[in-house]
Parts: sequence; structure tokens; C-alpha cells
Amino acid sequence: ETGVTQTPRHLVMGMTNKKSLKCEQHLGHNAMYWYKQSAKKPLELMFVYSLEERVENNSVPSRFSPECPNSSHLFLHLHTLQPEDSALYLCASSQDPVGGTDTQYFGPGTRLTVL
Amino acid sequence: QKEVEQDPGPLSVPEGAIVSLNCTYSNSAFQYFMWYRQYSRKGPELLMYTYSSGNKEDGRFTAQVDKSSKYISLFIRDSQPSDSATYLCACSRGAQKLVFGQGTRLTINP
Repeated sequence: ETGVTQTPRHLVMGMTNKKSLKCEQHLGHNAMYWYKQSAKKPLELMFVYSLEERVENNSVPSRFSPECPNSSHLFLHLHTLQPEDSALYLCASSQDPVGGTDTQYFGPGTRLTVL
Repeated sequence: QKEVEQDPGPLSVPEGAIVSLNCTYSNSAFQYFMWYRQYSRKGPELLMYTYSSGNKEDGRFTAQVDKSSKYISLFIRDSQPSDSATYLCACSRGAQKLVFGQGTRLTINP
């Protein structure tokens, strides 16, 4: 496996379900990200982890709960979602250097549908 | 006002045409500018990366940044059907936080 992988690729869930999205990066990076991509909207940054510590949380509802057990894995736990949460959820990773900016590499995304 | 504005299109051009994609931004603190390409059912992939103002060329692709007018462009020469995708511009002040435009959906017709 190379790059950034995400599972599942598609997920349909009811509003009362609990599910988790998984992301794994094989690039040796130190930073990982969750983004939400909705139709006709820009990518929205949800969470940033650097060296397994959460460094950014962009006012995301508590029904989304991230977990970063190590620098290669990132989870997004979902609970009591709303239909408007249906979107493509993208994971990304980067080298996370000090200063400057670093290239983010994206996974293929999980297409989530909330019924 | 959105920090990064991008016309969502769709934009449709014949094969071989020169394509011009553009974004404007409002935050003068942005120093890094990127273009990502996203094919259907795939994640975005980095196409071009530019620091501060100026031009950068890579094969058929040229990225331009004009910080005085807060305007960034991507030009595609000799466009091919395989260039059909959504193109996302992104701006950043520094590490980690990218601000994306809405994306422009481009179709190159054979």
C-alpha cells in the first residue's frame, strides 16, 4: 500500500448509528487531517493532528470525534449524525516541517450518506 | 466574504485549447499558493505549488501569483481530455492550514 488510504470508501448510516472512518498513511508523515467536502462548497478543515496531538479543531460538532493513536493512523468516530452531514470525508497527511508550508497528500475519501 | 473565491464553472473547452483557471483571495497574509486536481471519486492531488508572487511552469501547466491584486491563475496548454477534472486552488499563511476555493469543474472535449 502506498500513499494515504481510507476505509470504507462508501458508508450509509442512520441517524442513530455509530460508525468510524479510518485513515492510514504510508508516507512517514507527522501530521494528519480530516476534511469535509460537500457539493458546491470548499473543502472544510475539521481536525489537524501533529505528532499525534490535536492542534486544530475548527468548531466541529461533538458528534464527530477524532482519534489519532499514532502518526500513521487517524480515525473519525461518528455518532448521532444528521442528514446534512452527508458528504465526502477526506483524510490528508503532511510532513509538518517547522515554518513554511508543507504539501498535503489526500486519500480517496469516504462517501458518507446519512439517512 | 469567503477568504478564497473560485468560479465553480462548469467550464467546457475543446481539446488543444489553452485553459485559464483563476482564484481571488482576501487575506494579504497568504504566502503559499497551490493548485490541486481532483478526478471523480478520487481525493485531490497536488498539481502546482508557488511561494509568494511569480510564475511557475511544469510541463503544460503554469501557475501565476499576483499578490498585489490577490489573484492566482493556472494555465493549461494543449489541453487533453485527461485534464478533465475539478481544479481546486488553495492558499496558506504557513504550516498546516490550507484555505480552499470551491473548485472549478473542467471538461475537455475531444
